[in-house]
Amino acid sequence: TQLLEQSPQFLSIQEGENLTVYCNSSSVFSSLQWYRQEPGEGPVLLVTVVTGGEVKKLKRLTFQFGDARKDSSLHITAAQPGDTGLYLCAGGIQGAQKLVFGQGTRLTINP
Amino acid sequence: DTEVTQTPKHLVMGMTNKKSLKCEQHMGHRAMYWYKQKAKKPPELMFVYSYEKLSINESVPSRFSPECPNSSLLNLHLHALQPEDSALYLCASSQVVRWVSEAFFGQGTRLTVV
Repeated sequence: TQLLEQSPQFLSIQEGENLTVYCNSSSVFSSLQWYRQEPGEGPVLLVTVVTGGEVKKLKRLTFQFGDARKDSSLHITAAQPGDTGLYLCAGGIQGAQKLVFGQGTRLTINP
Repeated sequence: DTEVTQTPKHLVMGMTNKKSLKCEQHMGHRAMYWYKQKAKKPPELMFVYSYEKLSINESVPSRFSPECPNSSLLNLHLHALQPEDSALYLCASSQVVRWVSEAFFGQGTRLTVV
């Protein structure tokens, strides 16, 4: 069974601070997605990374896929209250057409 | 258009009722998924359809019956559910590629079984 461990599970910081969320596994994934989910809504795709060592930036968010494609990180610079939400990483299993989700990081940015 | 549309948004049903959840996408995706999400938990995969054929059933009880009438539609038929089946049910779609491409999710149906 391929598992993804996300850390931290909860994070509450002040507006303007930086933060990093980690997604780790002992398994290799063919791709890794990051989603953000608001309460009562479906997850919204933020980014997909597929190449080991890949770095993608989305405004103040920076996503990195580990060289061995076993881990990923999400870094937010100068966090804003609008960044509040549940952040989920999900790994793609090659040939199985399914995603494995991490447990999620519940992020709260306080004004 | 990267939209997956789910109906209804909210559903309350009794344990003897029969109801259906509907999902539609027009992105040309040939893989469609049903996920179940309990409060404060990540989505759990239930079913995967690939090219309108059921390819994955994650040991879901038979009171949940999926159906994929065509490449744009996905249904989930519900019968004799239990209160513990109350959850957010999410539909998603993606391209079918050698590696799993990004999945696009609908807004979900909030199901309450009474």
